Amino acid sequence: EVQLVQSGAEVKKPGESLKISCQVSGYTFTSYWISWVRQTPGKGPEWMGSIYPRDSDTRYSPSFQGQVTISADKSLSTAYLQWSSLKASDTARYYCVRQEQWPYYHFDYWGQGTLITVSS
Amino acid sequence: EIVLTQSPATLSLSPGERAALSCRASQSVASSLAWYQHKPGRAPRLLIYGASNRATGIPARFSGSGSGTDFTLTISSLEPEDFAIYYCHQSSDWPSRPSGLTFGGGTKVEIK
Repeated sequence: EVQLVQSGAEVKKPGESLKISCQVSGYTFTSYWISWVRQTPGKGPEWMGSIYPRDSDTRYSPSFQGQVTISADKSLSTAYLQWSSLKASDTARYYCVRQEQWPYYHFDYWGQGTLITVSS
Repeated sequence: EIVLTQSPATLSLSPGERAALSCRASQSVASSLAWYQHKPGRAPRLLIYGASNRATGIPARFSGSGSGTDFTLTISSLEPEDFAIYYCHQSSDWPSRPSGLTFGGGTKVEIK
């Protein structure tokens, strides 16, 4: 059974750093892209970026380039999303998602989401 | 960046009625279009991929159509559990397209 299990909710202050995780099981971690998606209330999902764990090829949305870093550890079958300096506007729920393979690359399995609250 | 425009923003219908949700792309995405259902407090659920293929376990009342720039998600007869927000999503030319992946703004299907 494919599972993506994310780390727990976080409450942080503006300017703090953060790294959240997504551990996968039930499939070959290195064979599928993993994406991160942001969801804020009243707004549609936003694709942030993706990583191909086999070679760490990483792609970012222009909206998030330079704002976050996506990485992966093959030995742990875990993907990460990190911020070096959080802003209040980063408050949202973040999902890791597996992308199916060619030809459609749709999002077929989602993690449960990690709620990040940034407040002074 | 490919922009996806969903309409209407809100659809007010009764159980048993037919729902037709539209998603229009700013340029062709061929058949690289998926639909997701989202309920509060839960992760989005894949309904349709490749414009018209039902995902595993999705009831037959959900169907997708279209190609290029115009797509439709149809729910033939609404069940109480279908009232939710629906998003379309394109993955055209992944991973070579620099602007990557985008979602539509969503259509909320609410009980009339």
